[in-house]
Amino acid sequence: GIQVEQSPPDLILQEGANSTLRCNFSDSVNNLQWFHQNPWGQLINLFYIPSGTKQNGRLSATTVATERYSLLYISSSQTTDSGVYFCAVHPIFGNEKLTFGTGTRLTIIP
Amino acid sequence: KAGVTQTPRYLIKTRGQQVTLSCSPISGHRSVSWYQQTPGQGLQFLFEYFSETQRNKGNFPGRFSGRQFSNSRSEMNVSTLELGDSALYLCASSFGQPSTDTQYFGPGTRLTVL
Repeated sequence: GIQVEQSPPDLILQEGANSTLRCNFSDSVNNLQWFHQNPWGQLINLFYIPSGTKQNGRLSATTVATERYSLLYISSSQTTDSGVYFCAVHPIFGNEKLTFGTGTRLTIIP
Repeated sequence: KAGVTQTPRYLIKTRGQQVTLSCSPISGHRSVSWYQQTPGQGLQFLFEYFSETQRNKGNFPGRFSGRQFSNSRSEMNVSTLELGDSALYLCASSFGQPSTDTQYFGPGTRLTVL
């Protein structure tokens, strides 16, 4: 099946810093989403971005489908940004299911 | 519009028992998917339902089953619980099929098997 790798696995930053999270996937996809999992376990939608670039406030994302990667940018980090960030992809071919990466754990220090 | 709701939020069971979890999708959404999250295995796909039909199933034993009702609400059942079934069970809904539509997740049901 499709492989989804996220990097870095852990990231610790000072409040106000910027960060870039990466998601690499091994096959063509027709759906890519970024999620933020809060401390209570809920997955919050950030972006639906199978290709192109989107921005929402301090967050933006870019997916280069032809090169099979996506980037999530967080600017001016706040402590509420802490949590685990997942990318999830839906492969075009094969056994269709939303496949999650292993996540990046982001900790923002005041 | 109300989000995806899951009940119960927390559950404690003992080995050998069975459990039923419920998921109500966002109004108008026809697709419901279930996922299991554990520290060791991460987020793993369980089932996908669209208009009451199971369209896809993950690599889980037959003890795990599910269904979707005509109002799009879904239930999943786990029989003969094992310690390894302790996990956060997440439900997601989308208007169209998950392959090309945004999935919205509920708060999850945290199951502990003793």
